[in-house]
Amino acid sequence: EIVMTQSPATLSVSPGERATLSCRASQSVSSNLAWYQQKPGQAPRLLIYGASTRATGIPARFSGSGSGTEFTLTISSLQSEDFAVYYCQQYNNWPQTFGQGTKLEIK
Amino acid sequence: QVTLKESGPVLVKPTETLTLTCTVSGFSLSNARMGVSWIRQPPGKALEWLAHIFSNDEKSYSTSLKSRLTISKDTSKSQVVLTMTNMDPVDTATYYCARIEQWLFDPWGQGTLVTVSS
Repeated sequence: EIVMTQSPATLSVSPGERATLSCRASQSVSSNLAWYQQKPGQAPRLLIYGASTRATGIPARFSGSGSGTEFTLTISSLQSEDFAVYYCQQYNNWPQTFGQGTKLEIK
Repeated sequence: QVTLKESGPVLVKPTETLTLTCTVSGFSLSNARMGVSWIRQPPGKALEWLAHIFSNDEKSYSTSLKSRLTISKDTSKSQVVLTMTNMDPVDTATYYCARIEQWLFDPWGQGTLVTVSS
């Protein structure tokens, strides 16, 4: 089973600034990497798939990059609604696995 | 619009069997490219995939929970059912169902919190 490791566990950023979240896979997952956003009391929502493709309706300030074992989610200018927990998920190998999440909080 | 909604008990006792139902709308469980997964999240913790089922009745289970899980579907009712036997307090979690297409979970249901306690 592929282990997904996210860092940092918590990230404090001011509104309007850039946030960079990392995800590392224990072995190559090619570009089969997705990012999900989860706000308090809500279900996760798909943000990015294929490591860099935004899902339908996702603002352009969200971008993903990486391949193989190292991935990054960047939010270019944080809005108040972006403060949430973000999870990465690999779907290259069965079973699909999630990272432990990064909590993005207001600084 | 694709929606999924979970239903089931909010409280179960240790050793009991949990039965959860996911009712879908906006897509058919007979669609060849799609399926439904169950995923859970203990309070304050990360997401854990449990099981999935596809239109051809292909099923797959988490290795660690396989002996306790059964997934099934009723296409005519647009429902997917997950049963988990021998419930334990560590199984307390929010249980989500989600459509799975090309191995991506999108969208998700609102989730249902299940507490295991005597």
